Amino acid sequence: LAKTTQPISMDSYEGQEVNITCSHNNIATNDYITWYQQFPSQGPRFIIQGYKTKVTNEVASLFIPADRKSSTLSLPRVSLSDTAVYYCLQGGGNKLTFGTGTQLKVEL
Amino acid sequence: NAGVMQNPRHLVRRRGQEARLRCSPMKGHSHVYWYRQLPEEGLKFMVYLQKENIIDESGMPKERFSAEFPKEGPSILRIQQVVRGDSAAYFCASSPQEPGHLSYEQYFGPGTRLTVT
Repeated sequence: LAKTTQPISMDSYEGQEVNITCSHNNIATNDYITWYQQFPSQGPRFIIQGYKTKVTNEVASLFIPADRKSSTLSLPRVSLSDTAVYYCLQGGGNKLTFGTGTQLKVEL
Repeated sequence: NAGVMQNPRHLVRRRGQEARLRCSPMKGHSHVYWYRQLPEEGLKFMVYLQKENIIDESGMPKERFSAEFPKEGPSILRIQQVVRGDSAAYFCASSPQEPGHLSYEQYFGPGTRLTVT
């Protein structure tokens, strides 16, 4: 199964912009890049999805360069409540492949 | 619109007992997925079901584990003769789209935390 690589953890402060980069060197032509967020004791929650260039929604932005071998999730002005694990997934179809994710910790 | 519902939220079983985990997908969703998450790890796909059909069970252990999604009622993940290694969080997700769709989203339930003593 396709695997992505992302930092194990990141620290930030309230009000800052956080960028989490994900590597997916073996991405297939039909694969999308999807990011999920997971709080402790909860199921993952869909954040954003993209194929190439830039996608923006009310929560985040996703930047995917032309070669699609990496992507960056951008969270503007984070708050304490954004402390969570963020997963970068590549692929499509019926099974999502989660890595260990990036533990984001936001402090005052 | 209620989200994906799972029950029980917490389940304690002794070694050798059976565990039954239930999942009700979101209204209008006919695709159900089960995942297992061990502590400090990401979720691992177990099985994908549609009504009355198992579509992909490639992530399911060959023994003691089974899943169903009957025509009526919730999807059930059943673990027979549980062992300590089965202790984990089990998440159910549902989606409205067919697999293979390039753009899909799975909606996750809150999970069932199984503890085997």
